[in-house]
Amino acid sequence: DIQMTQSPSTLSASVGDRVSITCRASQSIHNWLAWYQQKPGKAPDLLIYKASILESGVPSRFSGSGSGTEFTLTISSLQPDDFATYYCQQYSNLWTFGQGTKVEIK
Amino acid sequence: QVQLQESGPGLVKPPETLALTCSVSGGSISGYYWTWIRQPPGKGLEWIGYIYYSGSTKYNPSLESRVTILVDRSKNQFSLKLSSVTAADTAVYYCARLRQLEIFDYWGQGSLVTVSS
Repeated sequence: DIQMTQSPSTLSASVGDRVSITCRASQSIHNWLAWYQQKPGKAPDLLIYKASILESGVPSRFSGSGSGTEFTLTISSLQPDDFATYYCQQYSNLWTFGQGTKVEIK
Repeated sequence: QVQLQESGPGLVKPPETLALTCSVSGGSISGYYWTWIRQPPGKGLEWIGYIYYSGSTKYNPSLESRVTILVDRSKNQFSLKLSSVTAADTAVYYCARLRQLEIFDYWGQGSLVTVSS
């Protein structure tokens, strides 16, 4: 099994801040990584796939980087709509998710 | 725009079988992979399994002995059965489309299933 570990678990930030979330894989997953945003009571929404490709319709303030075992999701200027929980997901071998990072208002 | 909608009982008694159906609208079920994912309250996401429109399946090894996923192309639906449930199976169950065996691009709204006697 490939384990995915996100850090931090919770991130406190203000509107306009640049924030970054890290996701580490237990073994190399090349660039087979996606990021999702989930708001309370809603299904996750796909943001990024193949580590850095923005899904259609996703604002350009979101970006992804990394390869191998370490990946980063960056929000360049946090907006009120971005306060949510973010999950990374590998698809190198089956499908597993990180435990999530909650971005909360500071 | 593809839309997915889960349906089924919200309460299941242990050790009965959990059964959910996902109805797909706005597009055909044919040509795609379809999947089930669950999320225990306050916790993370767990992939359960997928089915191709032709009927081929793959399941999470941790659940494989208890899971069956079927497709009904005539109704544009697919379904999940999870047998011998326990309280640990209490979760929101999502159906989703699995794009090119990689990423989950369309999701249902989720269906909370509570396992309790």
